[in-house]
Amino acid sequence: KAGVTQTPRYLIKTRGQQVTLSCSPISGHRSVSWYQQTPGQGLQFLFEYFSETQRNKGNFPGRFSGRQFSNSRSEMNVSTLELGDSALYLCASSLGQGFGDEQYFGPGTRLTVT
Amino acid sequence: GENVEQHPSTLSVQEGDSAVIKCTYSDSASNYFPWYKQELGKRPQLIIDIRSNVGEKKDQRIAVTLNKTAKHFSLHITETQPEDSAVYFCAAVKTYKYIFGTGTRLKVLA
Repeated sequence: KAGVTQTPRYLIKTRGQQVTLSCSPISGHRSVSWYQQTPGQGLQFLFEYFSETQRNKGNFPGRFSGRQFSNSRSEMNVSTLELGDSALYLCASSLGQGFGDEQYFGPGTRLTVT
Repeated sequence: GENVEQHPSTLSVQEGDSAVIKCTYSDSASNYFPWYKQELGKRPQLIIDIRSNVGEKKDQRIAVTLNKTAKHFSLHITETQPEDSAVYFCAAVKTYKYIFGTGTRLKVLA
């Protein structure tokens, strides 16, 4: 079974631009979560989608948004990029229907904002 | 708000010794507590988890304990090996929302 994939793997953007990241979950998984990983803050929850609906949301500003498609693929968008948005963005997929479903992480997209 | 505190931030042990990492969570409704291992340049991978209706779980050299009253859970690694060197993250989960600790960098010295 193919694992979680993320594209692109690396991205360099300029402050003020916007960016879209993509996540393809494991086949059969309907839940996709997004995280921001930085050296000082660890893994911070952005949001979780299940069956095209945002089911959970973290404490990030409205510049961070996401969506999920009918095939469970998910995209995350960051508008008006700031230097502090530089981070590794990880997505994780799970079945999303049980108590304690295991989350499988993708390799991440490393975003650098200059 | 929801918060998970993880200690220590770094831990160095001699090969063969035990390592203990502790986490405290704030939301008493959390009901699932996974632990992830992240090696340098790799994605986090689940190593063990525990549900709120269980107090302890063991898998070979690793074990996790949960104290719901104190809102505290711990990871125990025995007979540490150099390949255990990595960053370990705990998480407290409520209805599919994962709140992670800030991580512990474990170094196993040969």
